[in-house]
Amino acid sequence: DADVTQTPRNRITKTGKRIMLECSQTKGHDRMYWYRQDPGLGLRLIYYSFDVKDINKGEISDGYSVSRQAQAKFSLSLESAIPNQTALYFCATSDEDRGNGYTFGSGTRLTVV
Amino acid sequence: AQSVSQHNHHVILSEAASLELGCNYSYGGTVNLFWYVQYPGQHLQLLLKYFSGDPLVKGIKGFEAEFIKSKFSFNLRKPSVQWSDTAEYFCAAAGLDMRFGAGTRLTVKP
Repeated sequence: DADVTQTPRNRITKTGKRIMLECSQTKGHDRMYWYRQDPGLGLRLIYYSFDVKDINKGEISDGYSVSRQAQAKFSLSLESAIPNQTALYFCATSDEDRGNGYTFGSGTRLTVV
Repeated sequence: AQSVSQHNHHVILSEAASLELGCNYSYGGTVNLFWYVQYPGQHLQLLLKYFSGDPLVKGIKGFEAEFIKSKFSFNLRKPSVQWSDTAEYFCAAAGLDMRFGAGTRLTVKP
C-alpha cells in the first residue's frame, strides 16, 4: 500500500458542484498539505495542517476548504467548483523536521467543465 | 514574501551532456532546500536536500546541488545525463511551509 493515498485518481465534475478530494497516510506524520499543480506554475500550496487542531491557509486558499478528520486523514473540498480549478492536486505529508522532505500522494486529476 | 524561482522552463540536452538547473529563493530566516523530480505521470520524488553543513550535497541517481548563501541559490547539477533523466524538476524551499518553483522540464535526446 502507498504511504499517501489520494482518492479519487481522476474526476470530472460540473461547474457549481461540490467536490471532496480525500487523502490518507500511513506515515504517522503530523503534518499534511494540499497543493495544486498547473503547467508552468509548479506546485502552489492551498492549505496545510500541523496537527488535527491546526489548519492554515496557503498561497491560494480561496475557493477551497479543508478538514483534518484525524492524524491520518486530510480532505480538500471545493464548495462550488469552477473551471479554473481544473488542475492536478497533490496531498503531501512530512515529519516535524522535514528530514526526509515531503512524501507525496499520486495526485488527483480534477477537471471542472 | 517567500518565493522560489527556477531560471529555465524547458531544457533539451543530448545524452552524456552536463546539466545545470538554476534555482533562487527568497526567504527570511532559516530555510531548508530541496530538489524534487517528477517523471511523466508520476508524483514528486525527493532527489536531494540541504539543511546545513557542507553546501555541496549529493542525491540519488548522480545528481548534486550546491547551496550558495550569498547568491540565494541552490543549483542542481549532473555531469552526464541519461535519456531516463527526462522529467520535470522542481526546486523547493521550506520555512514554515514549503514553496516550489515553477519547474524545469528536462528532455534528454538519445
